[in-house]
Amino acid sequence: DTAVSQTPKYLVTQMGNDKSIKCEQNLGHDTMYWYKQDSKKFLKIMFSYNNKELIINETVPNRFSPKSPDKAHLNLHINSLELGDSAVYFCASSQVGGQGFNEQFFGPGTRLTVL
Amino acid sequence: AQSVTQLDSQVPVFEEAPVELRCNYSSSVSVYLFWYVQYPNQGLQLLLKYLSGSTLVKGINGFEAEFNKSQTSFHLRKPSVHISDTAEYFCAVSQIGYSTLTFGKGTMLLVSP
Repeated sequence: DTAVSQTPKYLVTQMGNDKSIKCEQNLGHDTMYWYKQDSKKFLKIMFSYNNKELIINETVPNRFSPKSPDKAHLNLHINSLELGDSAVYFCASSQVGGQGFNEQFFGPGTRLTVL
Repeated sequence: AQSVTQLDSQVPVFEEAPVELRCNYSSSVSVYLFWYVQYPNQGLQLLLKYLSGSTLVKGINGFEAEFNKSQTSFHLRKPSVHISDTAEYFCAVSQIGYSTLTFGKGTMLLVSP
């Protein structure tokens, strides 16, 4: 069983469209994340959700909206897609431990290409 | 705020040679330190982590890293690499008590025969 799964794996779309990426984790974790990896492989946190509540929202355009229907799911909806949104988006999850340590488990990524 | 610097964007090495991938960090508070590996077209996998205690930590696939507080470094080493170690390696930090990871820009390890 896959611990953190994302769909779709590849997404090709036109500028201006609206699209969603889904993420599910079966690890029982209480915190989920979205990261963006740009063409230079740089990884940056976008959002973090803990128990369905947004706890981190980095400087991300408001065209990006995360939605967490339950603890096991964190979806990413993107409105009015732009060329610069082309990237690989990774979902991750973690459970905060006793020392505050949390190993984050990553999904396989969704490669978004905006034409 | 924290930041991570990986000094080498690419490290070419021959099979069975030793390798060191460098990582320096900056933080005004105590942090946890991590190395992640990303194989081509895959997600990230945790190689090893430093939380506290011994400054030399061992991870999977024969990798190890040493935490040096005075030099704010956390360099990754392997005494003998394999072709299958070819991948992107990311150093990351998180502030103790917080869940967010701050990544370096990655180092591509290229192992050739």
